[in-house]
Amino acid sequence: EDQVTQSPEALRLQEGESSSLNCSYTVSGLRGLFWYRQDPGKGPEFLFTLYSAGEEKEKERLKATLTKKESFLHITAPKPEDSATYLCAVQAGTSGTYKYIFGTGTRLKVLA
Amino acid sequence: IAGITQAPTSQILAAGRRMTLRCTQDMRHNAMYWYRQDLGLGLRLIHYSNTAGTTGKGEVPDGYSVSRANTDDFPLTLASAVPSQTSVYFCASSMGTVPDNEQFFGPGTRLTVL
Repeated sequence: EDQVTQSPEALRLQEGESSSLNCSYTVSGLRGLFWYRQDPGKGPEFLFTLYSAGEEKEKERLKATLTKKESFLHITAPKPEDSATYLCAVQAGTSGTYKYIFGTGTRLKVLA
Repeated sequence: IAGITQAPTSQILAAGRRMTLRCTQDMRHNAMYWYRQDLGLGLRLIHYSNTAGTTGKGEVPDGYSVSRANTDDFPLTLASAVPSQTSVYFCASSMGTVPDNEQFFGPGTRLTVL
């Protein structure tokens, strides 16, 4: 069964305390892995797409990496404004049919 | 301002009533999606449309229907609402369905079925 699992469910960090969020997946025919940020009461906002193992992408204090079984979102020296829920999603399937599967997210709280 | 709009923002509905959630995008995106988001379950795909005139079923399509008469609009209809359809509904769009097409999400509709 296709599955996306994120850990931890929740994370509290002090400002400046770097950490990583995990997204592990079991899908057939991975076409892409996505990271989104969601603020309370709002829709998800796109951060990154990763296509193949070994790929990395960076944006400000965030860096996403991908292996054959999991992805990490590394947060370096976080600030309170990085507090949000971070969602991982995978697109999988073959030509003509596809699935878009979201994890349940990691709720990040960065304390000043 | 380019983006996705959803209406209503929130709604309380009696069970058995019919309800249509509206979604409009002005980015000329080909693909559109409807998700529901429930605590502990994450976002689940209800229906999608790869292009105007076509629709497809997602993970949880039962009790919902969609239409895609044009590029911009993608309404979601609950024919006879039930309490288990209480959720936050998000509409999204993307240029296409290939992996490098990020999805843009609307602000959501919070629906309560009593």
